[in-house]
Amino acid sequence: QVQLQESGPGLVKPSETLSLTCIVSDYSISSGYFWGWIRQPPGKGLQWIGHIYHSGRTYSNPSLKSRVTISVDTSKNQFSLELSSITAADTAVYYCARVTYGDCHCDYWGQGILVTVSS
Amino acid sequence: EIVLTQSPGTLSLSPGERATLSCRASQSVSNSYLVWYQQKPGQAPRLLIYGVSSRATGIPDRFSGSGSETDFTLTISRLEPEDFAVYYCQQYGTSLTFGQGTRLEIK
Repeated sequence: QVQLQESGPGLVKPSETLSLTCIVSDYSISSGYFWGWIRQPPGKGLQWIGHIYHSGRTYSNPSLKSRVTISVDTSKNQFSLELSSITAADTAVYYCARVTYGDCHCDYWGQGILVTVSS
Repeated sequence: EIVLTQSPGTLSLSPGERATLSCRASQSVSNSYLVWYQQKPGQAPRLLIYGVSSRATGIPDRFSGSGSETDFTLTISRLEPEDFAVYYCQQYGTSLTFGQGTRLEIK
């Protein structure tokens, strides 16, 4: 059973950079699949942020692309998200997930981490 | 970017009834890349259906997906109490997008 766990600060100040890490257990990132980030503002729907292959190739939401950096560390079996110049609109639960090839469905998800943007 | 519109926004039904949820795409979804998730309060989404009609591991056969091109449907043949939740469709083409969700509530 693949397990994913997000970690990072729960409170970030406006204009700063949000940094989150997802640690993957019981599956080696190097074995395949994409590894992605999805977010959900409180009471709202899901928004894809982007995903990364173990080689480092990334795919990002065009509306966020200029602010998003996704990276992978295969030695630690984890991947990370950085979102720059954050505003209150970036307040959301951030999920990491394993993303399949083809239709890019997310078959395993982390529990999510609430990040609040506030001064 | 393909926009997915789900209807209805809220569906009120009773256990034992049949639920039909719709997902309409603003343009044709390539290669049947249409997915459905279920989300309960405080939980991460759960994969139900991928590739339009393939059930994910462990998903009961009362859940089924169908459709093509721009019109897709998730059907729950006979509602169980645990099925009341929010359902999202998702597609992947040049970008990945989700529908806004359908809330399935107990009548």
